[in-house]
Amino acid sequence: GAGVSQSPSNKVTEKGKDVELRCDPISGHTALYWYRQSLGQGLEFLIYFQGNSAPDKSGLPSDRFSAERTGGSVSTLTIQRTQQEDSAVYLCASSLVWQGQETQYFGPGTRLLVL
Amino acid sequence: KNQVEQSPQSLIILEGKNCTLQCNYTVSPFSNLRWYKQDTGRGPVSLTIMTFSENTKSNGRYTATLDADTKQSSLHITASQLSDSASYICVVKRHSGAGSYQLTFGKGTKLSVIP
Repeated sequence: GAGVSQSPSNKVTEKGKDVELRCDPISGHTALYWYRQSLGQGLEFLIYFQGNSAPDKSGLPSDRFSAERTGGSVSTLTIQRTQQEDSAVYLCASSLVWQGQETQYFGPGTRLLVL
Repeated sequence: KNQVEQSPQSLIILEGKNCTLQCNYTVSPFSNLRWYKQDTGRGPVSLTIMTFSENTKSNGRYTATLDADTKQSSLHITASQLSDSASYICVVKRHSGAGSYQLTFGKGTKLSVIP
């Protein structure tokens, strides 16, 4: 079946511009995560959506970052007034909990370069 | 079946004492193993990441070990502090082809450090 998809796959933008990154999770997965991975670094948790509950935004690095999840499915991560340090791969994952075990399925990521 | 089992499920220790948390996995093919610390209501924060060839890795008072032959990992916390109270989650990564991958999360060990 279809996995998690993200778009665009690559994005080059100028410092100060806004960008929107899209994530289409696996159908039926109630949880959706956004992570960021900078060059040579591990995954950095950004935000977590679970069903209709209020999202856990504790990982967002600044108020320039926001995310929405419409209809419990597609999610958009928005970065306003991009800075060079925002350059990274932004990964989306959706998860399924089966018999108490969670498995997260990751999309291929959006590689963001801020010039 | 790809599984990650953690033990104990919960643990209470006195401040200043050491403790060791265990993680056994059956995930294959193995890519890497990461230990996360997750405070209540917060997103996970990576403590260590270990690849197949690494046996031990330290991050301050946290030391992780990996035995890829027996598919076991441990997280040792030295001189525990009250702020160490959190859930510790073992996450194993496997590649699933075409640039995508899966993370399988353990259920976590809930550690409580008491004065």
